[in-house]
Amino acid sequence: NAGVTQTPKFRVLKTGQSMTLLCAQDMNHEYMYWYRQDPGMGLRLIHYSVGEGTTAKGEVPDGYNVSRLKKQNFLLGLESAAPSQTSVYFCASSYSTGEQYFGPGTRLTVT
Amino acid sequence: QKEVEQDPGPLSVPEGAIVSLNCTYSNSAFQYFMWYRQYSRKGPELLMYTYSSGNKEDGRFTAQVDKSSKYISLFIRDSQPSDSATYLCAMRPLTGTASKLTFGTGTRLQVTL
Repeated sequence: NAGVTQTPKFRVLKTGQSMTLLCAQDMNHEYMYWYRQDPGMGLRLIHYSVGEGTTAKGEVPDGYNVSRLKKQNFLLGLESAAPSQTSVYFCASSYSTGEQYFGPGTRLTVT
Repeated sequence: QKEVEQDPGPLSVPEGAIVSLNCTYSNSAFQYFMWYRQYSRKGPELLMYTYSSGNKEDGRFTAQVDKSSKYISLFIRDSQPSDSATYLCAMRPLTGTASKLTFGTGTRLQVTL
């Protein structure tokens, strides 16, 4: 039982490049979330999903897109990376009861 | 003003001390309260989960909720160097979209030998 996994662990992008972060969970959770974590800012919700085929915007959605084609996977895309998107990205999943379980994170640097 | 306030620390204590970590909040609708532990360069790990007011104990950890004061606490007894981490509080209302949580910014704890 791997829980929540994230790919890749690290990535360096140049401004304007695109990439996709993959999150996978094996706990059969309905809900999935993408956060970014920056010093002094805490965890901020980017996008979330309440089920396969559904997505919704969180607190800081600009510059990101998401897709949830399969219940166990939640993808976060950056179409044109900017230095302001340098951050640590965490994926989480939960049942409707709300306890969220987090992945190990992806460290992204945009130069 | 943030919905959830948490002293960033760092909080430095000697091994064996009792640690008290706290959060205050402004939204009276919050009913579920959680504490996460985050080691450096790792993902947050769920530590404690409580509903409404009262205490919950799990080993050396006790979570306390005082809804009348809008104040939650996490106590760590007999603190160990392995408890050195950032502790995040999180909370949500009884009902709401997708069980979204509101997080504090975290308190960094250092337990010294």
